[in-house]
Amino acid sequence: GENVEQHPSTLSVQEGDSAVIKCTYSDSASNYFPWYKQELGKGPQLIIDIRSNVGEKKDQRIAVTLNKTAKHFSLHITETQPEDSAVYFCAATDSWGKLQFGAGTQVVVTP
Amino acid sequence: DTAVSQTPKYLVTQMGNDKSIKCEQNLGHDTMYWYKQDSKKFLKIMFSYNNKELIINETVPNRFSPKSPDKAHLNLHINSLELGDSAVYFCASSHRGPMNTEAFFGQGTRLTVV
Repeated sequence: GENVEQHPSTLSVQEGDSAVIKCTYSDSASNYFPWYKQELGKGPQLIIDIRSNVGEKKDQRIAVTLNKTAKHFSLHITETQPEDSAVYFCAATDSWGKLQFGAGTQVVVTP
Repeated sequence: DTAVSQTPKYLVTQMGNDKSIKCEQNLGHDTMYWYKQDSKKFLKIMFSYNNKELIINETVPNRFSPKSPDKAHLNLHINSLELGDSAVYFCASSHRGPMNTEAFFGQGTRLTVV
């Protein structure tokens, strides 16, 4: 089955700096790669996603890149703000719709 | 309107008891899921139903039994609760298929077994 690894487990950045989270997946059949943000006491919420036929996608301060050959995908947050502090999860979805999550990255943005 | 709602939000119960968590989605999705989030925040899929049919059943003790009365509801019943069952349980829904779509999550049910 699919195995998703995520690094780093914690990330502390100064406000205004960039944050990068990296993930790898094992199943070459996976075709959909969402990123979720989980704030304290809430459920995960989608912030951006990318499909296997696209290499890069951007939405304001957030961008995601996908390297299908290497089975890598990354989340980039630019100009970080205190409200970006949360746990971020990468995930990979296979053709059966099974969503497999990475272990999560605790991002702390310090003013 | 809440897209995916689960009840209760908090559940404290004694070992050995039986409890249920309910989930409903009003998004018209055909697939619903239960995830368990442990104390280290790791999200692990437990079950998935597509059009009321069980399609994913991970290695979960038989004490956990999902029930889907219709496409919009997926409930989770847990028998003989154990201390290790303490976790946050999330319900989610999505459209399943070759073009997988965003999974929407409920707010979670924090289960504490004492």
